[in-house]
Amino acid sequence: DGGITQSPKYLFRKEGQNVTLSCEQNLNHDAMYWYRQDPGQGLRLIYYSQIVNDFQKGDIAEGYSVSREKKESFPLTVTSAQKNPTAFYLCASSIAGTLNTGELFFGEGSRLTVL
Amino acid sequence: AQSVAQPEDQVNVAEGNPLTVKCTYSVSGNPYLFWYVQYPNRGLQFLLKYITGDNLVKGSYGFEAEFNKSQTSFHLKKPSALVSDSALYFCAVRDIWGRDMRFGAGTRLTVKP
Repeated sequence: DGGITQSPKYLFRKEGQNVTLSCEQNLNHDAMYWYRQDPGQGLRLIYYSQIVNDFQKGDIAEGYSVSREKKESFPLTVTSAQKNPTAFYLCASSIAGTLNTGELFFGEGSRLTVL
Repeated sequence: AQSVAQPEDQVNVAEGNPLTVKCTYSVSGNPYLFWYVQYPNRGLQFLLKYITGDNLVKGSYGFEAEFNKSQTSFHLKKPSALVSDSALYFCAVRDIWGRDMRFGAGTRLTVKP
């Protein structure tokens, strides 16, 4: 089945450690996104990528890094510089292009807890 | 920059009654508006979208939404609520260049038997 796979579903990290969240899609979508979800704040955009080897910062990119070496993959690294990393992280994909009206397809999320 | 607002954190309705979840938007140019639903510890699922044309948009699971340009609103509706509709609902907007999507804070819908 086509879809988006995020792993791990749950992750625990000690302060000062970097962690990488995986996101893989087999929908042949050019665009991929990372959102952070906190209670009462909805989804906030961390990074997005419209094409391989290119990505843009969203509203809360500080303390995060991404890469887009393959169309199918868009991993997110939460670095030790992120002050409050405990959150639910959602990866999504969509078709891309100018005047894009396509909806986003989401993975099941990764819950990161900093101990 | 484009944005959406969901003025209600929580909406409670009785099963069988109509439901409305409110959303207002602010964009430059024509809006591309979306509704998503999220169940606990899951990703978001697409319900429906408005791009152009008829102001009443029909979507999944019996939901519909009414686009109102003069009031800059895109309210989600369902004629008869089910207990299984209880979830978190998000309104979202794409910018006119289609580069990214911005979400509201979400409205928690509770349908009581």
